[in-house]
Amino acid sequence: SQQGEEDPQALSIQEGENATMNCSYKTSINNLQWYRQNSGRGLVHLILIRSNEREKHSGRLRVTLDTSKKSSSLLITASRAADTASYFCATDLQGAQKLVFGQGTRLTINP
Amino acid sequence: DARVTQTPRHKVTEMGQEVTMRCQPILGHNTVFWYRQTMMQGLELLAYFRNRAPLDDSGMPKDRFSAEMPDATLATLKIQPSEPRDSAVYFCASGFRAGAYTDTQYFGPGTRLTVL
Repeated sequence: SQQGEEDPQALSIQEGENATMNCSYKTSINNLQWYRQNSGRGLVHLILIRSNEREKHSGRLRVTLDTSKKSSSLLITASRAADTASYFCATDLQGAQKLVFGQGTRLTINP
Repeated sequence: DARVTQTPRHKVTEMGQEVTMRCQPILGHNTVFWYRQTMMQGLELLAYFRNRAPLDDSGMPKDRFSAEMPDATLATLKIQPSEPRDSAVYFCASGFRAGAYTDTQYFGPGTRLTVL
């Protein structure tokens, strides 16, 4: 299976609720990044967390990293309709000099 | 507001024709990536360059795909001959790498290719 697998594949919640997406990976990383993709658009970088960090915040986004479990989570608080998009985690593998993207979580925020 | 630009945004062509996609990375970035996105395969890395030198093109079908960076402001991805299975959205991304870590990548809007 792929490095950087997101879970769930799809998530549908009501506006105002919190959304949590998870990412698991297999090998050691330098950093892990989360990207958002709106339908028909390119990916947009959201947040980067380095391997020696455990938690990072950016506005309504909170990212955690557990290197012992090789997993990360992205929490979006107080979701809005505009948060509807696909979210991808990408791992910067040690020695690889490139990012490896997962298959993404498709998030739908219902008004 | 610096951004990655890609041309064309949409391309419809017939099987067997040559397709060239262009990308202008953000000025000052030293890495350029080409990705292909389909529903079935997701986002696949085709090739990437650092300081205009190709570092990895193992994701590309070598017999029909080629990627080049004739200068620091232009990256090209060429398919010759094109096949229906090449239909996808092709993204270019650029970034700056100064050491062992891969930093943020900035994506272009993509080229939606349809091969009939």
